Amino acid sequence: AQKITQTQPGMFVQEKEAVTLDCTYDTSDPSYGLFWYKQPSSGEMIFLIYQGSYDQQNATEGRYSLNFQKARKSANLVISASQLGDSAMYFCAMREGYGSSNTGKLIFGQGTTLQVKP
Amino acid sequence: KAGVTQTPRYLIKTRGQQVTLSCSPISGHRSVSWYQQTPGQGLQFLFEYFSETQRNKGNFPGRFSGRQFSNSRSEMNVSTLELGDSALYLCASSLEGAGAVNEKLFFGSGTQLSVL
Repeated sequence: AQKITQTQPGMFVQEKEAVTLDCTYDTSDPSYGLFWYKQPSSGEMIFLIYQGSYDQQNATEGRYSLNFQKARKSANLVISASQLGDSAMYFCAMREGYGSSNTGKLIFGQGTTLQVKP
Repeated sequence: KAGVTQTPRYLIKTRGQQVTLSCSPISGHRSVSWYQQTPGQGLQFLFEYFSETQRNKGNFPGRFSGRQFSNSRSEMNVSTLELGDSALYLCASSLEGAGAVNEKLFFGSGTQLSVL
């Protein structure tokens, strides 16, 4: 069964430092996609970065990069040069395969609350 | 381009009542999905609509229903409200909703429902 695990309920990081948020996943499907979303206190889920199971390189989007270790089934998010505005909840999510059973459906982890200290 | 719009932002209802939440997707997006977010259960998929048809459904009781209109706007209805229905309800839209693994969902800010 597909599952996402985020083991860090809360994290602190000093402004301008880098931080890694952990995510492990479980799936038996060879084709899957992994996503990271940010949820500030406003509630909106903001897409950050995507990694496909067949992608050869780790994904990067500006200050965000994804440390994808397929054999370990981990997809950790790295935020470089943290900013005060990065304080939010971060969710790792997965979609398996292709087809009608997956339309619109992401499986989310429990999230990690990140607080950036000035 | 306007994002996903959800109304109302906050709702307070009492047990036994019913409620309707509204979602307007990003212009051009044809797939709309709904999620429930609670502190205990996290984010859970409710259902997904495309071209006015429900294509996918999560594991929720029949009290939770939805529909989609020809302009892709969607509504979600919860009947006979229970205390446990108190949650943030998030709507998301995507371009085709074809189930491709790389299809991104774009979320709204949600409707915070409190059941007293």
